[in-house]
Amino acid sequence: GENVEQHPSTLSVQEGDSAVIKCTYSDSASNYFPWYKQELGKGPQLIIDIRSNVGEKKDQRIAVTLNKTAKHFSLHITETQPEDSAVYFCAASRGSGNTGKLIFGQGTTLQVKP
Amino acid sequence: SAVISQKPSRDICQRGTSLTIQCQVDSQVTMMFWYRQQPGQSLTLIATANQGSEATYESGFVIDKFPISRPNLTFSTLTVSNMSPEDSSIYLCSLRQGSTDTQYFGPGTRLTVL
Repeated sequence: GENVEQHPSTLSVQEGDSAVIKCTYSDSASNYFPWYKQELGKGPQLIIDIRSNVGEKKDQRIAVTLNKTAKHFSLHITETQPEDSAVYFCAASRGSGNTGKLIFGQGTTLQVKP
Repeated sequence: SAVISQKPSRDICQRGTSLTIQCQVDSQVTMMFWYRQQPGQSLTLIATANQGSEATYESGFVIDKFPISRPNLTFSTLTVSNMSPEDSSIYLCSLRQGSTDTQYFGPGTRLTVL
């Protein structure tokens, strides 16, 4: 079945450094790739998403890149701050509005040290 | 995006009992989902809550254990029946609006079964 692999499982960086989290997916029909941030005691919050018709998307300090040929996508956080510390989940789906089901990666615990 | 609330936010229950979790949305939504997040793990889809009809369950989840109701477009409930300690998890309500791919999550219900 569909599978999403996420690496690394934990990531520790110094404040101000960049952080990169990578995901690979197995279903070549996947065309929608969201990223969620989950802080302790809260539900997942959508931070950025990308569709298969674009290769990169940026929103301030956050960017996502997609390589459809290699079936992998990555989250890039620049100028990290302590408040970026959280668990990050990637996901993939076939989209298509109502029919797509999100398949989640295993999560990455990001720690930003002041 | 729609505002999602869940009740209760957390509970501690005895094995063999049942708990009903409520999910309320402040606007009508097309798709509502229920997820389970076991301690330190990723998100697993339990079922899609269909308005006015029986929920659609994922492999490994059955209606007798996780009965779901969705009486209208803004409200759904998930019951965790005959609980055991293995049911200790965060249960999350999620939604999509219209025909978009974008999916949002509620704050979660943290369940501990003793």
